Amino acid sequence: AQSVTQPDIHITVSEGASLELRCNYSYGATPYLFWYVQSPGQGLQLLLKYFSGDTLVQGIKGFEAEFKRSQSSFNLRKPSVHWSDAAEYFCAVGRASGGSYIPTFGRGTSLIVHP
Amino acid sequence: KAGVTQTPRYLIKTRGQQVTLSCSPISGHRSVSWYQQTPGQGLQFLFEYFSETQRNKGNFPGRFSGRQFSNSRSEMNVSTLELGDSALYLCATKTAGGGTDTQYFGPGTRLTVL
Repeated sequence: AQSVTQPDIHITVSEGASLELRCNYSYGATPYLFWYVQSPGQGLQLLLKYFSGDTLVQGIKGFEAEFKRSQSSFNLRKPSVHWSDAAEYFCAVGRASGGSYIPTFGRGTSLIVHP
Repeated sequence: KAGVTQTPRYLIKTRGQQVTLSCSPISGHRSVSWYQQTPGQGLQFLFEYFSETQRNKGNFPGRFSGRQFSNSRSEMNVSTLELGDSALYLCATKTAGGGTDTQYFGPGTRLTVL
């Protein structure tokens, strides 16, 4: 069975600073990998996804993530954080099934942005 | 294009009752997935429907069921409600069968079981 670990429950950064959110997964085959953001009043939104190909994935809102198979990691990065990035971030791994996938989510990392 | 719509947005039920939640997908989206989000268990996948057929299922008891109609709208039902069923229920839709399609989430239905 697949699993996802987000080691940091909370992360605090200053506005304008760089950001890296960690995600480690456990899965026997090539995984589908995702990062989602959840803000109050905004619902859950897909930031980026990896299925195959280039291991550096660009997403929306200036985010990117890098798939490192040797480390079983899919860390999310942003070079300069904005106050509006304060939210809950979820990493997920998908197991291919039935022409789609079954996702398993991490417990989330809460991002706090100081002015 | 209108987004994913979920009704009702808030619901209060008592233990033992049953509840039906509805999800209307973005126009043209044929896949609908349901998720449960709780502080204790986090985000968990319930099931996915595509072309009126359940394509995938998570690890939930049979009290949780769903269906999809020919217009792609989906409902999920929880029978014999328990306190632990209190949660935010999210649905997400995507265009077609391909697993690589982007999912779009609705705002959720907040269910409280008393």
